[in-house]
Amino acid sequence: GESVGLHLPTLSVQEGDNSIINCAYSNSASDYFIWYKQESGKGPQFIIDIRSNMDKRQGQRVTVLLNKTVKHLSLQIAATQPGDSAVYFCAERYSSASKIIFGSGTRLSIRP
Amino acid sequence: EPEVTQTPSHQVTQMGQEVILRCVPISNHLYFYWYRQILGQKVEFLVSFYNNEISEKSEIFDDQFSVERPDGSNFTLKIRSTKLEDSAMYFCATSGLADNEQFFGPGTRLTVL
Repeated sequence: GESVGLHLPTLSVQEGDNSIINCAYSNSASDYFIWYKQESGKGPQFIIDIRSNMDKRQGQRVTVLLNKTVKHLSLQIAATQPGDSAVYFCAERYSSASKIIFGSGTRLSIRP
Repeated sequence: EPEVTQTPSHQVTQMGQEVILRCVPISNHLYFYWYRQILGQKVEFLVSFYNNEISEKSEIFDDQFSVERPDGSNFTLKIRSTKLEDSAMYFCATSGLADNEQFFGPGTRLTVL
């Protein structure tokens, strides 16, 4: 069943600071955990994913951490920019299934 | 960069009417999906489609919903008799392989009056 949830609905950070968005999950059977960014009026945009057998993955300015012990997922954005303002969703996917199960979203706002 | 497109961007309809939402997938993509997002809520999976048949569907995707690829390029979602609670953003997504990234379109906002 649905298992992905987010700790906070909103997050405000100073431009240039690092942002950390957290997510909890309850289903240990998920094979992929994914972060999506959704800007106003647009569809979800893939940011980064991580397989369940990994604990860290880095992309351009983003890092995803997976702690399977406490079933916790986080997205770190380095040097947050105004263009990072959006709603961020964590999501999960089973390797044998095609659907993506989305969490409820965290709105990230950037203070100048 | 290739992208998924959807038409119309906004559809207003009367309750009980049929609507067809259209999606043009990224060329060479073989897996197609529909999701919806009720205002202020999370994105919900509706249906996945591969090789001209439904692969998986959610409880939301009842007999009032159907999908097809009428001409080998467009991918459509039909709601036979719309209800007020069908009002939402509907997103099409496509991927090249089952486990690859899903690319989402900009969505169609459906308003049922």
